[in-house]
Amino acid sequence: DQQVKQNSPSLSVQEGRISILNCDYTNSMFDYFLWYKKYPAEGPTFLISISSIKDKNEDGRFTVFLNKSAKHLSLHIVPSQPGDSAVYFCAASVSGNTGKLIFGQGTTLQVKP
Amino acid sequence: GAGVSQSPSNKVTEKGKDVELRCDPISGHTALYWYRQSLGQGLEFLIYFQGNSAPDKSGLPSDRFSAERTGGSVSTLTIQRTQQEDSAVYLCASSLDRVMNEQFFGPGTRLTVL
Repeated sequence: DQQVKQNSPSLSVQEGRISILNCDYTNSMFDYFLWYKKYPAEGPTFLISISSIKDKNEDGRFTVFLNKSAKHLSLHIVPSQPGDSAVYFCAASVSGNTGKLIFGQGTTLQVKP
Repeated sequence: GAGVSQSPSNKVTEKGKDVELRCDPISGHTALYWYRQSLGQGLEFLIYFQGNSAPDKSGLPSDRFSAERTGGSVSTLTIQRTQQEDSAVYLCASSLDRVMNEQFFGPGTRLTVL
């Protein structure tokens, strides 16, 4: 049972435009969500997170939106840059638990110059 | 240290052999996690260590998998009698504690079982 789903395996956008990556979850106990970026042959790198008490968190070019009623979150990257090309994973956890992260399958973003 | 380190970076082994994978977490981080990523899949939680507490082994796929963390620092993941389906990238992560959920990942060990 996939508790965190990223339904788009890949996304291609033009440099300077907005990239929107989506993630859905099924477990209503999740209350902390994170986005990680991964380059080939490297470990995932933390990008941005959001607690369930918020619906938006912004950090520079990256903004994460959380819609709890829809059990949906999204990552917006504006403006997109070629260096953003990577695999993006969303992850979720339950506070007060072990802190283990449940990951989606990932979305490969390609930003074209 | 500067970050989480893992060794070896690559491991090729024959089916049936045992392998050991090592993780050095960031100094001072009390929480340590093992995940694995099979081809085309997301990261799958394996095991979690927090200080002196009993580890959360709920993600280990079979009793061929075990892990230990000595002295609250270095961790070793052992896979006995490896099978081809064990082929994956094994990733280690650490965090200050389980509450601070920003986990820092190592580069991973790519395991190939022939």
